[in-house]
Amino acid sequence: DAGVTQSPTHLIKTRGQQVTLRCSPKSGHDTVSWYQQALGQGPQFIFQYYEEEERQRGNFPDRFSGHQFPNYSSELNVNALLLGDSALYLCASSRTGIREKLFFGSGTQLSVL
Amino acid sequence: QQPVQSPQAVILREGEDAVINCSSSKALYSVHWYRQKHGEAPVFLMILLKGGEQKGHEKISASFNEKKQQSSLYLTASQLSYSGTYFCGTETGWSGGSNYKLTFGKGTLLTVNP
Repeated sequence: DAGVTQSPTHLIKTRGQQVTLRCSPKSGHDTVSWYQQALGQGPQFIFQYYEEEERQRGNFPDRFSGHQFPNYSSELNVNALLLGDSALYLCASSRTGIREKLFFGSGTQLSVL
Repeated sequence: QQPVQSPQAVILREGEDAVINCSSSKALYSVHWYRQKHGEAPVFLMILLKGGEQKGHEKISASFNEKKQQSSLYLTASQLSYSGTYFCGTETGWSGGSNYKLTFGKGTLLTVNP
């Protein structure tokens, strides 16, 4: 049973560009959350998707947007990249309504030059 | 509001014990603990729910003081494999059973030496 898979693993972009990150949740999971982890910091909640709708959102600007597909996979889009967007982006999947462990993917390391 | 973890870092010798603390300025519904090794995804350790229920790792214990809005993670007889950064994630407020979000602390770096 595959866990959470994210692609790509690494990405290099320049300021002003746009980026799309992808996540496939663990089998049986219907909720996907995205986190941004800067170097030496804890993961910061970006937003969460369930039933193809954004259900919760953290303190991130509208440049950060997402989508969830009928198969529960999800995308994170970041427009007008800034140097400060450089970070590890983690996807975590879970089952709605159940407080159990989050399954994290290995992340996408984004570098903005 | 981000929970505060202490200490920021701790160094142990194999077999020693450690306690990592997590405190919040807001009332907590649940506290989640994860360990992350360098370059890897966070791995689940423990969930503590309001009301006393715990779900988690066999060899790791934790406490949750609802009144003080604090949680502590107890690592006993540490092993080399315990090295990593420990994060607490807090859920503030009850979302009615539906989807919830976790706010993570800055982490505690634990190093276990032979």
